[in-house]
Amino acid sequence: RKEVEQDPGPFNVPEGATVAFNCTYSNSASQSFFWYRQDCRKEPKLLMSVYSSGNEDGRFTAQLNRASQYISLLIRDSKLSDSATYLCVVNTNSGYSTLTFGKGTMLLVSP
Amino acid sequence: DGGITQSPKYLFRKEGQNVTLSCEQNLNHDAMYWYRQDPGQGLRLIYYSQIVNDFQKGDIAEGYSVSREKKESFPLTVTSAQKNPTAFYLCASRLSSGTGNTIYFGEGSWLTVV
Repeated sequence: RKEVEQDPGPFNVPEGATVAFNCTYSNSASQSFFWYRQDCRKEPKLLMSVYSSGNEDGRFTAQLNRASQYISLLIRDSKLSDSATYLCVVNTNSGYSTLTFGKGTMLLVSP
Repeated sequence: DGGITQSPKYLFRKEGQNVTLSCEQNLNHDAMYWYRQDPGQGLRLIYYSQIVNDFQKGDIAEGYSVSREKKESFPLTVTSAQKNPTAFYLCASRLSSGTGNTIYFGEGSWLTVV
């Protein structure tokens, strides 16, 4: 099983749609979780951290289920500018702290 | 402005040559990282450093070398031993390697072997 696995995508949605991305992780000792956004040929940028109680930032909602080792990102009312690749990132403290990146899920929002 | 600066943004290398990618940060971060990203692939860790004068190999360190003589700087050398160096290279830093700290990236360097 891959350490961090994401939906393969791409997801093609119309403007205004709601879209959900899923991410599973294999290491139960993982301690912190993030969603990053990466535009084409650019560096990844932090979108939001994921907290155990779930958290929301405008149109974006992140959820964490530790029992199922599952993280989700929900985007409501999609905009054209949301088109990007979304990376799931998991931080595991294994003597030294390491970050593991998923391969990302591409989102294409069309008019 | 605080941030991470990588240079050059685009670099062409002839086979058999070593090249060095620069990474400088003024965020006062202790931990610095180098990742490689290939098309359609996730980020893979090359080297990381948690403190000055110390660094550790990541998952794909073969053919690469680094140094960490100053807190602000973490240059990556791609040696001739790296057989497939064409990729997007990302330098990153974190306040420390503590689990809650987010990681920030430079704008990346595109390396092409010609």
